[in-house]
Amino acid sequence: EAGVTQSPTHLIKTRGQQATLRCSPISGHTSVYWYQQALGLGLQFLLWYDEGEERNRGNFPPRFSGRQFPNYSSELNVNALELEDSALYLCASSWTGTVMNTEAFFGQGTRLTVV
Amino acid sequence: KQEVTQIPAALSVPEGENLVLNCSFTDSAIYNLQWFRQDPGKGLTSLLLIQSSQREQTSGRLNASLDKSSGRSTLYIAASQPGDSATYLCAVGTDSWGKFQFGAGTQVVVTP
Repeated sequence: EAGVTQSPTHLIKTRGQQATLRCSPISGHTSVYWYQQALGLGLQFLLWYDEGEERNRGNFPPRFSGRQFPNYSSELNVNALELEDSALYLCASSWTGTVMNTEAFFGQGTRLTVV
Repeated sequence: KQEVTQIPAALSVPEGENLVLNCSFTDSAIYNLQWFRQDPGKGLTSLLLIQSSQREQTSGRLNASLDKSSGRSTLYIAASQPGDSATYLCAVGTDSWGKFQFGAGTQVVVTP
């Protein structure tokens, strides 16, 4: 069974541009989570989508946004890129975020570099 | 606000020794705690999930304990191997999965 897949693996953008990152959850999982892991910092929660709706949001500016499609895949969009947005962006999925004891599985991440 | 701390930040042991990794959290009102492994530049691999009602979980050479009252979890890796070299992260589930709070991780090096 395929795990969580993220694309692209690497992305290089210029400051001020927009970046779109994609995530496909494990089959049957309805919840998708996005995290940012900047160099030297821990994982910071960005967004949680469940059943097509945004359920929770971390402490990030509005230029970080996303959506979840009917097939439960998800996009993370980062507008007006800044140099400090350079990081590894990780996507995770779980069976459902409303059941507290489900295990989360992570993808391999997208390395975003802003120059 | 939940804070998760992992000590030590780095650890180096010779092959064959047992590893003991610590995770502490400030708010005992947790739903679960999950241990992950991360190789350099890669995503996270789930190792063990402990429900709030459990005291420990085991998988092969790995054993994780949870003491909610004292705000601690410990990951034991028996008979370490060079392939165990990675960063180990603990994450605490609070009011929802979206608010999983991660520790900064313990970087482990197992020398042959």
